[in-house]
This record gives sequence, C-alpha cells and structure tokens, in this order.
Amino acid sequence: AQSVTQPDIHITVSEGASLELRCNYSYGATPYLFWYVQSPGQGLQLLLKYFSGDTLVQGIKGFEAEFKRSQSSFNLRKPSVHWSDAAEYFCAVGGLEYGNKLVFGAGTILRVKS
Amino acid sequence: EAGVAQSPRYKIIEKRQSVAFWCNPISGHATLYWYQQILGQGPKLLIQFQNNGVVDDSQLPKDRFSAERLKGVDSTLKIQPAKLEDSAVYLCASSLDRLGTSRNEQFFGPGTRLTVL
Repeated sequence: AQSVTQPDIHITVSEGASLELRCNYSYGATPYLFWYVQSPGQGLQLLLKYFSGDTLVQGIKGFEAEFKRSQSSFNLRKPSVHWSDAAEYFCAVGGLEYGNKLVFGAGTILRVKS
Repeated sequence: EAGVAQSPRYKIIEKRQSVAFWCNPISGHATLYWYQQILGQGPKLLIQFQNNGVVDDSQLPKDRFSAERLKGVDSTLKIQPAKLEDSAVYLCASSLDRLGTSRNEQFFGPGTRLTVL
C-alpha cells in the first residue's frame, strides 16, 4: 500500500539553528509532494509543494524542500529556526499513483528551545 | 477571503450516541474533503466530494459513518453509533480542484475534536 514515512516523531532544535525534517514515500515515478504545518488547535497550512521541474522548491516562512527521486525523499529544511516555528509538520504525497488523494505521514513535532 | 469553517470545535459524547459535524468550504471550491486525524497520526481521508457527488469514500466506515454535501456547498459528517475508537479530530478541507487530481492546494478548517467516552 502507498505510504509516507516521517522517521522522526519529535525533533528539538535551538532557536537560530538549522532544521531538516525527513520524509520518504513508498513508490511513484511522478508523485505530487507537499509539506503542511499544523499549530495547536488549528488546521493544516501548506508550506510548499512539488509537482515537477526544479527539485529544490521554496515555500513560505523561509522553508525549502528538495526532491530526490533516487532516495524517494522530500526533506524539509530551514537555515535558521525561529521560536514561532514550533508546531507539527506533515509530509503528504498525492497524484495518480496514490489514487489522486493525499496520503499523509504521521507527522514530526518540532520543539524550539531558546 | 474567509477560510473553511467547521462546527462544533469540540464534542464529547458517550459511546453508541450519534454526532454530526458541519463544514462550510471556501466559496467557489469544487472539492470538499473530510479527514480523520487520530492522535499521533497524520490525517486520513474519509470521503471526497466533487461538487455534490462522491469521488472517493473507500476509507469511510459506511456501517456507522455517513456524509452529504448539500447543493455542492456545505457538508455534514455523521457518526451513528459512535465507538471509542472514533475519538479523533475531524478535519474538513476544500480545494479548487475540478479534476480530482490532488494538484490543487487543500485549505483546511480548524477541525472538530471528538471525544467518545
């Protein structure tokens, strides 16, 4: 079955440090890839998406992600984390090979220490 | 632009009772989704509507869950009777996607947190 893996349940980084959140998907030659962020009590907000073209995509709030087909990965990065980035981050995969619906990973909770 | 509205925000019920959730999508969005998010897991699609027709309900437990989208706008999700394992956050989302390709951004509401005792 189609699946999305986020290996890290929790990550803690210091404010100002760099961040990388990992995401791997099970299969698909041309998946649609997304990162969403969820703050407590709120819905999910789209950070960035990738369909095709340049494998490094820029998103909102200073986030970027890189698609690596050979590794079936779409890792999220930020060069300098702010305290307001503390939230839960979800990777999602869609497209024809996923039944044209989004399949979400289990999420990574980011804690930022000052 | 108003976002996706959901109500109620919180609901506590006893098992075997029934409950209903309401969603008002962003105006003009053709596609509406209901997701179930169990604590510690990512959202799981329950049902997808394209206008007022069902596109995908393969993961909807149809013996107890039902959903409708009235006139292609608002939607309600009902659980009857509820079980303990239905405790979760129920998220509604909408998108402009008219082709059902999952390319368009989905905009999420704040969710309804259901606790079944």
